Amino acid sequence: EAQVTQNPRYLITVTGKKLTVTCSQNMNHEYMSWYRQDPGLGLRQIYYSMNVEVTDKGDVPEGYKVSRKEKRNFPLILESPSPNQTSLYFCASRAAGTGVHNEQFFGPGTRLTVL
Amino acid sequence: LAKTTQPISMDSYEGQEVNITCSHNNIATNDYITWYQQFPSQGPRFIIQGYKTKVTNEVASLFIPADRKSSTLSLPRVSLSDTAVYYCLVGGPNSGGYQKVTFGTGTKLQVIP
Repeated sequence: EAQVTQNPRYLITVTGKKLTVTCSQNMNHEYMSWYRQDPGLGLRQIYYSMNVEVTDKGDVPEGYKVSRKEKRNFPLILESPSPNQTSLYFCASRAAGTGVHNEQFFGPGTRLTVL
Repeated sequence: LAKTTQPISMDSYEGQEVNITCSHNNIATNDYITWYQQFPSQGPRFIIQGYKTKVTNEVASLFIPADRKSSTLSLPRVSLSDTAVYYCLVGGPNSGGYQKVTFGTGTKLQVIP
């Protein structure tokens, strides 16, 4: 089944404790992206990647890191989480050069709470 | 990237047709208009996309006037399961590409029994 998976789905952590949220897709998509969703603010893009070793900032990259060493994986790293990073996080992927532009496939989400 | 403006919320009774309009005055020549649907605590799901005139699929229709400064998502005969947030996105290869994506806050549709 074609899908985007994220782990963990739920995470409660404390301020300053480094964490990684994994994202993996099995559709051989070139493009992957991370979003955070907060009440009243909609979905905001954190980072995106056009292909292996190619990443760039979205609208709200502060406090996050990403890496793209393999095509299928795009982990989101919080080196020193803070309470304002408490949010619902989504990973997404799409193919490059597709006939349907902008069709992204989203993962199930990771609900992160930073105490 | 073209900025989009949508109503914050809408209510509709079951069985009615719902039209959600999105304004995008600064749409670029090569931009496409895409709509997503999101249920609570789930990732958005692609609904429909168009460039001009009318596009229809099994879920919805998308109407785009000649000036392309707005678009209307039409959901026929909505049911309770259509209660969701609907996002309008505009983007293309000459406006930041499809890489940087702005979802906005969307339109929260509440279908009433």
